[in-house]
Amino acid sequence: RKEVEQDPGPFNVPEGATVAFNCTYSNSASQSFFWYRQDCRKEPKLLMSVYSSGNEDGRFTAQLNRASQYISLLIRDSKLSDSATYLCVVTGGGADGLTFGKGTHLIIQP
Amino acid sequence: NAGVTQTPKFQVLKTGQSMTLQCAQDMNHNSMYWYRQDPGMGLRLIYYSASEGTTDKGEVPNGYNVSRLNKREFSLRLESAAPSQTSVYFCASSRDRGYGYTFGSGTRLTVV
Repeated sequence: RKEVEQDPGPFNVPEGATVAFNCTYSNSASQSFFWYRQDCRKEPKLLMSVYSSGNEDGRFTAQLNRASQYISLLIRDSKLSDSATYLCVVTGGGADGLTFGKGTHLIIQP
Repeated sequence: NAGVTQTPKFQVLKTGQSMTLQCAQDMNHNSMYWYRQDPGMGLRLIYYSASEGTTDKGEVPNGYNVSRLNKREFSLRLESAAPSQTSVYFCASSRDRGYGYTFGSGTRLTVV
């Protein structure tokens, strides 16, 4: 099993819809979890951290399920500007302490 | 509020040429990293420096060397560029290992 797995997509979603995607991780000792956003030909940028109690920031909600070892990202009322690749990042496993997923590509359609 | 600054943004090299990618951060972060990103491969760690004065290999270190010049600066050197090193290179920094990263804007390198 890969350390961090994401559905690569693309997820094609109409504007205004709600979309959710998950990321599974294999290291049960992982303590910190993040979602990053990467626009085409740009650097990854931190979207939000994922806390055990969940985390909400405007239209974005991140959840952690330790028992099943996955984190999720929910986007409500999606905007065209939400089109991007969303990277799941988990501590533990990598040489530097972080393991990146390969990303889920989201396309919001007008 | 510069964050992480990488230079150059674009570079074309001929096979066998050498070059150094520069990275500097102004956030007083302890840890710095070099990644490469290729289509379908995701981000792969080349080298990292957990703190000033230390460097360690990542997942794909062959063909690269690094120098942690001081707390702010972490450079990546390609001694003899190969076409397989054509990629987008990102430098990143974090407060410490395991914390969220701040990335530079990337260097698009083509080796012909």
